[in-house]
Amino acid sequence: SQTIHQWPATLVQPVGSPLSLECTVEGTSNPNLYWYRQAAGRGLQLLFYSVGIGQISSEVPQNLSASRPQDRQFILSSKKLLLSDSGFYLCAWSAGQGRTGELFFGEGSRLTVL
Amino acid sequence: AQSVAQPEDQVKVAEGNPLTVKCTYSVSGNPYLFWYVQYPNRGLQFLLKYITGDNLVKGSYGFEAEFNKSQTSFHLKKPSALVSDSALYFCAVAGATNKLIFGTGTLLAVQP
Repeated sequence: SQTIHQWPATLVQPVGSPLSLECTVEGTSNPNLYWYRQAAGRGLQLLFYSVGIGQISSEVPQNLSASRPQDRQFILSSKKLLLSDSGFYLCAWSAGQGRTGELFFGEGSRLTVL
Repeated sequence: AQSVAQPEDQVKVAEGNPLTVKCTYSVSGNPYLFWYVQYPNRGLQFLLKYITGDNLVKGSYGFEAEFNKSQTSFHLKKPSALVSDSALYFCAVAGATNKLIFGTGTLLAVQP
């Protein structure tokens, strides 16, 4: 069966420090991968998605970047965090090829920038 | 551009009563529609989806949703609510892309 792992679960970082959140998927090949941010416990904002290694689409201009160095690995990064980067970050995957089916989410990473 | 709206921030129902959580969508072409549930500090869990076929879709935990093309709606329903159904519910739509766009969520509170 497929599983998705996301870490760290909780992170407290000072303003201006770097960030790296990692997500890996097991039990599937060529997944579509996604990073969402959930602010104030409500709406989900799509940040990045990837349909293959090295292929990243950015949805909104921001202080963050994403990379996909391996088929089932998706990394969210920042060189210098801002206060506004605080939030709950969710990684998700869906079966590749064709229109999106259902997404399967990780358990999330809560980032607090102080 | 595709979008989805959940007009209610919060829905309150008594345990045992039927519940409805509303969702309307806007998308070019045929929509793929989804409902997810989120418990506090957790990821989202898939409940059900509509791709094509029967307008009434049955999903996990006794939930169902009705696709209405003329009203561009996909409301989530359950005949008899449980206290354990209390959570944040998200509607989502996918158009002819690889992206799922979520609504702002509706907080369901089921009172004993």
